[in-house]
Amino acid sequence: DAGVTQSPTHLIKTRGQQVTLRCSPKSGHDTVSWYQQALGQGPQFIFQYYEEEERQRGNFPDRFSGHQFPNYSSELNVNALLLGDSALYLCASSLVGAGGELFFGEGSRLTVL
Amino acid sequence: AQKVTQAQTEISVVEKEDVTLDCVYETRDTTYYLFWYKQPPSGELVFLIRRNSFDEQNEISGRYSWNFQKSTSSFNFTITASQVVDSAVYFCALSGNTGTASKLTFGTGTRLQVTL
Repeated sequence: DAGVTQSPTHLIKTRGQQVTLRCSPKSGHDTVSWYQQALGQGPQFIFQYYEEEERQRGNFPDRFSGHQFPNYSSELNVNALLLGDSALYLCASSLVGAGGELFFGEGSRLTVL
Repeated sequence: AQKVTQAQTEISVVEKEDVTLDCVYETRDTTYYLFWYKQPPSGELVFLIRRNSFDEQNEISGRYSWNFQKSTSSFNFTITASQVVDSAVYFCALSGNTGTASKLTFGTGTRLQVTL
């Protein structure tokens, strides 16, 4: 049973560019959440998708957007990259009503130069 | 607003020692959930435990145990007879209504280093 998979694992961008990160949830899960983890910090909630709609959003600017597809996979898009966007981006999947247990992927490490 | 404080930034112990990781939380919700996750160098957060606000019973799972005290808003994690494989960053987290697997608020983590 495949867990949460994310791609790419590492990428380097320059300021002002745009990036798309991808996530496939654990089999049977219908909800995807995205978190940003800066170096030495705890993960910060970006947003959550369920039934192809954004359901909750953390304190992140509109440069951060996402999408969920009919197969439950998800994308995180970040526009106009800033140096401060350098972080590990974690995707987590869960099942609605299952009590909140999140299963995390290994993340995509983004470096902005 | 919800907040989780992990005051211990880094702890170093020798193998077989017991170690306790502290977690203090703040929330105005009457129903909430507390979690502990382990993050090895690979980056993936590994779920360890979930506890709801109405269940203050301590829990033991092998070498791991958790002490939930609502009166002090604490949810501490103890590893008994630590092993090198326990070396990782440990995060305490808090969520409100989890009917839709709502967002987690994480602490800043405690890095545990276990040496021989």
